[in-house]
Amino acid sequence: DVKVTQSSRYLVKRTGEKVFLECVQDMDHENMFWYRQDPGLGLRLIYFSYDVKMKEKGDIPEGYSVSREKKERFSLILESASTNQTSMYLCASSLFGSSNTEAFFGQGTRLTVV
Amino acid sequence: LAKTTQPISMDSYEGQEVNITCSHNNIATNDYITWYQQFPSQGPRFIIQGYKTKVTNEVASLFIPADRKSSTLSLPRVSLSDTAVYYCLVGDGGGSYIPTFGRGTSLIVHP
Repeated sequence: DVKVTQSSRYLVKRTGEKVFLECVQDMDHENMFWYRQDPGLGLRLIYFSYDVKMKEKGDIPEGYSVSREKKERFSLILESASTNQTSMYLCASSLFGSSNTEAFFGQGTRLTVV
Repeated sequence: LAKTTQPISMDSYEGQEVNITCSHNNIATNDYITWYQQFPSQGPRFIIQGYKTKVTNEVASLFIPADRKSSTLSLPRVSLSDTAVYYCLVGDGGGSYIPTFGRGTSLIVHP
């Protein structure tokens, strides 16, 4: 069974903390994505990566950075957490070069910044 | 990327067929149409994908007219467990494809 695993389901952090959200996939996918989801706004893309050590900004990258040192792992970093980063964070992966790509999602991390 | 438009919400009752239509007037020749389902506090999951005419799987059917400017997701005989948000996406599905989600359609199934 294919799997995308996010390290935490729920996380509470203090304002100003550095926060790491980890995502691991076991499907040998090249593409990996980080989204955040807020009520009424759908999923918004933060960053994505097509390959190891490669990253591209999505629609809302401000306040975030990412790291992809290994193909299976894609980390989202909040350099200095703020209350407006309280959200559900979703990681996804997909194959590169497929003509009918399906994205596989993790279960999500609900982050609360206090 | 082609923009999609779908209803914000829909209501139905158990046992009914539900059809959710998505408009994608600017769909490109190479674009596929993909639908995802999302339950509360979970990530979206793939339901069905098609390019033209009709696609059916064990979960749903997808109807795509000849001009491909819209598509309809059909859920037969819904149950309470089909209550979810449904997203319509279009894209070429190529190597650089980035799944882009709108607000989706919130379907509520009533007893």
